[in-house]
Amino acid sequence: GAGVSQSPSNKVTEKGKDVELRCDPISGHTALYWYRQSLGQGLEFLIYFQGNSAPDKSGLPSDRFSAERTGGSVSTLTIQRTQQEDSAVYLCASSLEYSNQPQHFGDGTRLSIL
Amino acid sequence: GENVEQHPSTLSVQEGDSAVIKCTYSDSASNYFPWYKQELGKRPQLIIDIRSNVGEKKDQRIAVTLNKTAKHFSLHITETQPEDSAVYFCAANTGGFKTIFGAGTRLFVKA
Repeated sequence: GAGVSQSPSNKVTEKGKDVELRCDPISGHTALYWYRQSLGQGLEFLIYFQGNSAPDKSGLPSDRFSAERTGGSVSTLTIQRTQQEDSAVYLCASSLEYSNQPQHFGDGTRLSIL
Repeated sequence: GENVEQHPSTLSVQEGDSAVIKCTYSDSASNYFPWYKQELGKRPQLIIDIRSNVGEKKDQRIAVTLNKTAKHFSLHITETQPEDSAVYFCAANTGGFKTIFGAGTRLFVKA
């Protein structure tokens, strides 16, 4: 596609359930990023992929969060045993390379935990 | 690690006036500084960026200045219009994978 695509656009789920968020980056972009944005707040870095590998997972808030990327393209962010504090917009971005390149964002997934 | 501070958190200007948003960074190795605009409910979009070998860059009504010695950079919007109303984020990158974003500035342009 022309831009970064994220699905679902909205997700409402009950506390304790697992959720899976998907990101399809711009074709040819080797770097992929996940951010979390709470209401009215800035962008919190979660994890980065260069190709299929994630060199640094230190931004993930807890061990309930995990992410993977296969085929150097689509990435999924999984949150297990969701908590109310996980409610936020989860943004994905991609760039040509990992270093000093503009990041192109998707529209995000708005996650609401009841 | 890198830390980026952004001021002000909220800025209100009259249509036609200029708006200035300032950011400071802590890591002197930072060499790439993008600015993003995020309209309500929309995705952040890159509006301008500057690299450390340049002191100033301009694109129509938008300009960014960089002072490496003082470790600060600023966004200048001239002749503001209501459609400039949004949240603006500055960011810094050291050449590695992690881009650190400022907390954002909510700009209101009053018609």
